[in-house]
Amino acid sequence: NAGVTQTPKFRVLKTGQSMTLLCAQDMNHEYMYWYRQDPGMGLRLIHYSVGEGTTAKGEVPDGYNVSRLKKQNFLLGLESAAPSQTSVYFCASSYSRASGNLEQFFGPGTRLTVL
Amino acid sequence: AQTVTQSQPEMSVQEAETVTLSCTYDTSESNYYLFWYKQPPSRQMILVIRQEAYKQQNATENRFSVNFQKAAKSFSLKISDSQLGDTAMYFCAFRGRGNTPLVFGKGTRLSVIA
Repeated sequence: NAGVTQTPKFRVLKTGQSMTLLCAQDMNHEYMYWYRQDPGMGLRLIHYSVGEGTTAKGEVPDGYNVSRLKKQNFLLGLESAAPSQTSVYFCASSYSRASGNLEQFFGPGTRLTVL
Repeated sequence: AQTVTQSQPEMSVQEAETVTLSCTYDTSESNYYLFWYKQPPSRQMILVIRQEAYKQQNATENRFSVNFQKAAKSFSLKISDSQLGDTAMYFCAFRGRGNTPLVFGKGTRLSVIA
């Protein structure tokens, strides 16, 4: 199993450009999450999904959109990148709570710089 | 909304010594779950230990143990016999009832000194 993978690992954008970050998991997890990590701020939830075709806003959703068209993939989009979106982005996935397994599995992160 | 507070931005410990990282949280729920994650320089998030609030016994995983004080809403992590490989950021996290995502503290940067 590859676990949770993220594409790309690094990216530099100019202000106003758009891009999509791809998260994929091969563990048949129901839940998927996007976080951003900034120095001194910990991990903050951007959006999450509790199943294919469903998404919900997290703590810091502004400027981002997401889609979960397939159970194994969770896409994070930036329509018009801003310097404030310079960050490290983590994707995570987990089983539903009904399974009793609560652990979130994280991808390796994507370092995004917006100039 | 739940909040998680880690009051120690940075700590250091001598190799082979013991160190305790603090975490407090705020919630009105009675049943919930607490976690400690480790993030080494590689950036990968690694689950260290977890505690279920309805269990009175403190969780342990080899050299890692927690002191869970439910009434005080405190969840500290103790690392015994510290090793150089323990150098990392440590995040405390809370997960409530229902299908709620994790809420993280801001982290504690731990340096183990030879």
